[in-house]
Amino acid sequence: GAVVSQHPSWVICKSGTSVKIECRSLDFQATTMFWYRQFPKQSLMLMATSNEGSKATYEQGVEKDKFLINHASLTLSTLTVTSAHPEDSSFYICSAITYRTGILAGGTSTDTQYFGPGTRLTVL
Amino acid sequence: AQTVTQSQPEMSVQEAETVTLSCTYDTSESDYYLFWYKQPPSRQMILVIRQEAYKQQNATENRFSVNFQKAAKSFSLKISDSQLGDAAMYFCAYRTFTGTASKLTFGTGTRLQVTL
Repeated sequence: GAVVSQHPSWVICKSGTSVKIECRSLDFQATTMFWYRQFPKQSLMLMATSNEGSKATYEQGVEKDKFLINHASLTLSTLTVTSAHPEDSSFYICSAITYRTGILAGGTSTDTQYFGPGTRLTVL
Repeated sequence: AQTVTQSQPEMSVQEAETVTLSCTYDTSESDYYLFWYKQPPSRQMILVIRQEAYKQQNATENRFSVNFQKAAKSFSLKISDSQLGDAAMYFCAYRTFTGTASKLTFGTGTRLQVTL
């Protein structure tokens, strides 16, 4: 249990284009998903939190119009980097947590975030 | 706001030896969670161990154990019988106890090298 996938694992795009990154919880219903950004040799920086059925909550300093987050279903969240520029190049990681119980929890612990493998974005 | 401090940017340990990674935090809350996550070169974040603040007993997971000192706000990770596969970045993290959107606050990480 507690498997979170991300797609793609690596993407290269041209400046000015948009890129969509998917995050899926494979064996549990994710009531909350988080998106992080990580620069080389640094810690994770939380960008936004999305709860099922509601709009994402962005951290201070994160441009909501540039980083569009959609918690489309209980198993899928997407991050779209719009009009990407070289400074957006980074490693993006999602995580998921559930407050469901029983089968819907898929064996996860309700107080622990489970992380995806990350997506490396390079903007040329 | 909560803060998490890892004062050791890098640590080194010989295979089969024991190493302790330090973590301190600052909070005004009485109930919370503490975690250690491991990030190997693949960059996949892996949960190593977790501790609920209301539990006095230190958490243990096989070769990994913590020394949780609530009054001192200290949460160190001890790795026994270190293995080459333990080489990674280790992040200490704090989470509030309540709330459906509780966020993790991470420390800056400690890079652990394991030598033969």
